[in-house]
Amino acid sequence: DADVTQTPRNRITKTGKRIMLECSQTKGHDRMYWYRQDPGLGLRLIYYSFDVKDINKGEISDGYSVSRQAQAKFSLSLESAIPNQTALYFCATSDLTSGGAGTDTQYFGPGTRLTVL
Amino acid sequence: AQSVTQLDSQVPVFEEAPVELRCNYSSSVSVYLFWYVQYPNQGLQLLLKYLSGSTLVKGINGFEAEFNKSQTSFHLRKPSVHISDTAEYFCAVSELAGGTSYGKLTFGQGTILTVHP
Repeated sequence: DADVTQTPRNRITKTGKRIMLECSQTKGHDRMYWYRQDPGLGLRLIYYSFDVKDINKGEISDGYSVSRQAQAKFSLSLESAIPNQTALYFCATSDLTSGGAGTDTQYFGPGTRLTVL
Repeated sequence: AQSVTQLDSQVPVFEEAPVELRCNYSSSVSVYLFWYVQYPNQGLQLLLKYLSGSTLVKGINGFEAEFNKSQTSFHLRKPSVHISDTAEYFCAVSELAGGTSYGKLTFGQGTILTVHP
């Protein structure tokens, strides 16, 4: 079984709809992240969480919200989807020992392809 | 703020030829450096990372990268590529605070490596 899972893997929705993307991990990591990938732009950080009570905005948080329901679960919501939120979304996890002490190596899920019509 | 520039958006190469994918970064503090690979329709997989010590880092699948602090570069190389190396490659940087990772990755725009038979 994969260490980081994302559901759904693909989603097509309409403008104005509320969408939730879910991420679960079995790696036991404290830190979790949401990124979006757009062609030619690489990955950009949306939100990150260093533990259940800690939520932080990333580079492009406008139009998104998150919920850290437990150490292993981190959800991303689009309250009112718009077409320019069409992208590939990745969840990642890490902790300060995931790549050796202090190195914080991130491990990625398989991605969710979201299309907003 | 940190930034990462991948100098080539696409690199075509013939099978068994050598390849170099270029990455430059900008940061006012010490950094950790990473290369990730994304195969078609998959998530990101860690290829290698530079944390400290030897500037030549070896990773999976025969890839290696060299950290050059004076040129702020972290170029990825492979002496002989295979068809299966066809993928998108991302360079990423994580700034350090107090000797440990601050926990956020900044990615380059990605380089699509296409290996032709």
